[in-house]
Amino acid sequence: DVKVTQSSRYLVKRTGEKVFLECVQDMDHENMFWYRQDPGLGLRLIYFSYDVKMKEKGDIPEGYSVSREKKERFSLILESASTNQTSMYLCASSPPPLSEQYFGPGTRLTVT
Amino acid sequence: GENVEQHPSTLSVQEGDSAVIKCTYSDSASNYFPWYKQELGKRPQLIIDIRSNVGEKKDQRIAVTLNKTAKHFSLHITETQPEDSAVYFCAASRNSGYALNFGKGTSLLVTP
Repeated sequence: DVKVTQSSRYLVKRTGEKVFLECVQDMDHENMFWYRQDPGLGLRLIYFSYDVKMKEKGDIPEGYSVSREKKERFSLILESASTNQTSMYLCASSPPPLSEQYFGPGTRLTVT
Repeated sequence: GENVEQHPSTLSVQEGDSAVIKCTYSDSASNYFPWYKQELGKRPQLIIDIRSNVGEKKDQRIAVTLNKTAKHFSLHITETQPEDSAVYFCAASRNSGYALNFGKGTSLLVTP
């Protein structure tokens, strides 16, 4: 069974803080993704990575950065958290070629 | 990027009836079309997918049809059951070949 885990289920941070969200997958998948999920807006892609140290912007990269130093780990960084980044963050991984994405349980981030 | 429109946003059916959810996409180069189901409080999970060289695919009570000319695809659920109640997301592959564009989701409620 593919397992995708995220470092926290719930997180509360203050405006201006630097926030790290971590995602780990145990199936040696090349592709990893970060989405945010907001009611009525579906799943919006923030960044994705198709190999170690490689990253591509998604649709809403502003205010975020990512890091992929090891194949199994993909980190999302909020450089200076703002209230409009309060959301559910979902990580996913998949093998190539484009195929099923396996999602983590999500991190509900609240920025106050 | 690719635009995926999904309709309806909410759908209520009686147990035993059929449910149909429709999606349209804009990029004619898209070649992979998955459907994900997300139960309340859980992570999205793939339920069925189709590639552009196939017009229809079935798996027990669910089926997906693809019309490449019209650039739309649909999810059909027959003999609906209360456990089919969830949010369903369609998606289409992006031209990068690595990532997906998701629709905004359809909240399906199956009433006994």
